[in-house]
Amino acid sequence: ILNVEQSPQSLHVQEGDSTNFTCSFPSSNFYALHWYRWETAKSPEALFVMTLNGDEKKKGRISATLNTKEGYSYLYIKGSQPEDSATYLCAARDSSYKLIFGSGTRLLVRP
Amino acid sequence: DTAVSQTPKYLVTQMGNDKSIKCEQNLGHDTMYWYKQDSKKFLKIMFSYNNKELIINETVPNRFSPKSPDKAHLNLHINSLELGDSAVYFCASSQGPDVYGYTFGSGTRLTVV
Repeated sequence: ILNVEQSPQSLHVQEGDSTNFTCSFPSSNFYALHWYRWETAKSPEALFVMTLNGDEKKKGRISATLNTKEGYSYLYIKGSQPEDSATYLCAARDSSYKLIFGSGTRLLVRP
Repeated sequence: DTAVSQTPKYLVTQMGNDKSIKCEQNLGHDTMYWYKQDSKKFLKIMFSYNNKELIINETVPNRFSPKSPDKAHLNLHINSLELGDSAVYFCASSQGPDVYGYTFGSGTRLTVV
């Protein structure tokens, strides 16, 4: 059974701060790692899908890295803005088709 | 134009009733999913269909039955509703079951009274 853990559970930062969160998953049988952003009253929105060890992906001020050997991924936000406030979900897939989600990191960016 | 649409958005019903939640995607995706958001806010996979074929059938009560009449639709039927079925149910789709990001619907909040 795949268990995906995220830390911290919540984070408050000031506008302009850079921040990062962690996603941990079992490294054995790893297949893919997803990151989603989930704003209040909306649906989760896909940010990145990564598969290879050492993968780095970037979208604007948000980037992610992947270490499949040790079973973790980092999500970075550079120069946080109030509109970045959301829950960031990590999800991992092993060789089955099941995508297992972590509980998320709730980010609040204060103006 | 909504990419993944679920109906209804809210559903309040009595224990013992049978209800359905519908999901449609207009993205041309091959794979669709049902997730349940549990009391701790985790998204838990329930079912997945790829080109109308069931590929994930997670351990859920057999009162829950998915139906995929075509690859653009995946409906969820629930028999004999129980209080513990109250949750938010999310439909999602992806290009395929492998390494594609999911597009989620806006969720259906089911309340069983």
